[in-house]
Amino acid sequence: DAGITQSPRHKVTETGTPVTLRCHQTENHRYMYWYRQDPGHGLRLIHYSYGVKDTDKGEVSDGYSVSRSKTEDFLLTLESATSSQTSVYFCAISELAGDTGELFFGEGSRLTVL
Amino acid sequence: GENVEQHPSTLSVQEGDSAVIKCTYSDSASNYFPWYKQELGKRPQLIIDIRSNVGEKKDQRIAVTLNKTAKHFSLHITETQPEDSAVYFCAASIGGNNRLAFGKGNQVVVIP
Repeated sequence: DAGITQSPRHKVTETGTPVTLRCHQTENHRYMYWYRQDPGHGLRLIHYSYGVKDTDKGEVSDGYSVSRSKTEDFLLTLESATSSQTSVYFCAISELAGDTGELFFGEGSRLTVL
Repeated sequence: GENVEQHPSTLSVQEGDSAVIKCTYSDSASNYFPWYKQELGKRPQLIIDIRSNVGEKKDQRIAVTLNKTAKHFSLHITETQPEDSAVYFCAASIGGNNRLAFGKGNQVVVIP
């Protein structure tokens, strides 16, 4: 398996609190992605990064922000969590651009917002 | 933007039979089409992919076919086994945007 870890793996929080999920890779891959997975919706892209300090929005970016200050770490922040953000969050990395090469996914982070 | 649809949403097959999942896409600029498998409680993993300059690709019991004119591609699993039970996601590249659009997934159940 590619060297990619997510933390925390499970989190329960209350509406209105900030939450940060961390994705850490040891592969030195350029591209990193945050997806959320919900029943009936498949995998939806939140934000992605194509280099240090280079990020762009995905299809469901509202309510989320990201930062990438170094190659190995990609942080996803929910500034004020809502119940609609209860989901399983997957980080993915790719050596090539995600529209041409394999995505390696982390194990996922299950977030519950009460 | 790119829209990827998968059919059927759930597929049950007898062990040893074949399974076929079809995906359609909307963006004629799409040129990369991967399939990911996700077992229960696990992460998605790439099982096979195809590029627009190829019509078919095989890897042991799985194959993918692409029809660019009709904008659809299909995953074929032959001689299904219980370990093939999983959710399968198709995806299509979004031209020039470093990312993929995923379908909603197909639940495949192999009945022993």
